[in-house]
Amino acid sequence: KQEVTQIPAALSVPEGENLVLNCSFTDSAIYNLQWFRQDPGKGLTSLLLIQSSQREQTSGRLNASLDKSSGRSTLYIAASQPGDSATYLCAASDPYNFNKFYFGSGTKLNVKP
Amino acid sequence: AAGVIQSPRHLIKEKRETATLKCYPIPRHDTVYWYQQGPGQDPQFLISFYEKMQSDKGSIPDRFSAQQFSDYHSELNMSSLELGDSALYFCASSLGSGNSYEQYFGPGTRLTVT
Repeated sequence: KQEVTQIPAALSVPEGENLVLNCSFTDSAIYNLQWFRQDPGKGLTSLLLIQSSQREQTSGRLNASLDKSSGRSTLYIAASQPGDSATYLCAASDPYNFNKFYFGSGTKLNVKP
Repeated sequence: AAGVIQSPRHLIKEKRETATLKCYPIPRHDTVYWYQQGPGQDPQFLISFYEKMQSDKGSIPDRFSAQQFSDYHSELNMSSLELGDSALYFCASSLGSGNSYEQYFGPGTRLTVT
């Protein structure tokens, strides 16, 4: 079973700042890793998916990297905006059952205007 | 673009009652996943189906059952409801035959057990 940890649990930054969210997982034999955004009381919005053969994925101001050997992934958000305020969750697949994801507890981001 | 549809969006039940949650995956997606997210908790995997067959099972109580139908929609049946079952239940879908298995989540069903 994967154990997924996200640090920090909460982060508050001024608008315009670049920031990095961290995710670590215990079993490096993952199939893929997915980053999500969740607004309060809402569903999960997929941001980026990184397959095990990839090192990074980019979408707009977001860049996610994957280092399987160290069991780490980072989500980089450039030029943060107040609309980025949400909880960011990473989910790593079970090493033997790639249909099953294990979620971290998330990083709650607050971008101050 | 079409997204994952879940119904109902909100459900209030009393203890020991039964609830049925429905999930309609993105068209052409053949894999459905169910997750439970308790208050302040991260989503916990319950069960998944691929091509109408159960493909994996997580921390799903014996009081819960689920199935995927011929049109690929799925239903989660919950019996003998307990207060601790109050949570947000997410359904996600993916194209199982693809090589990325990216999961797309629905908006969730908020179940409150009183």
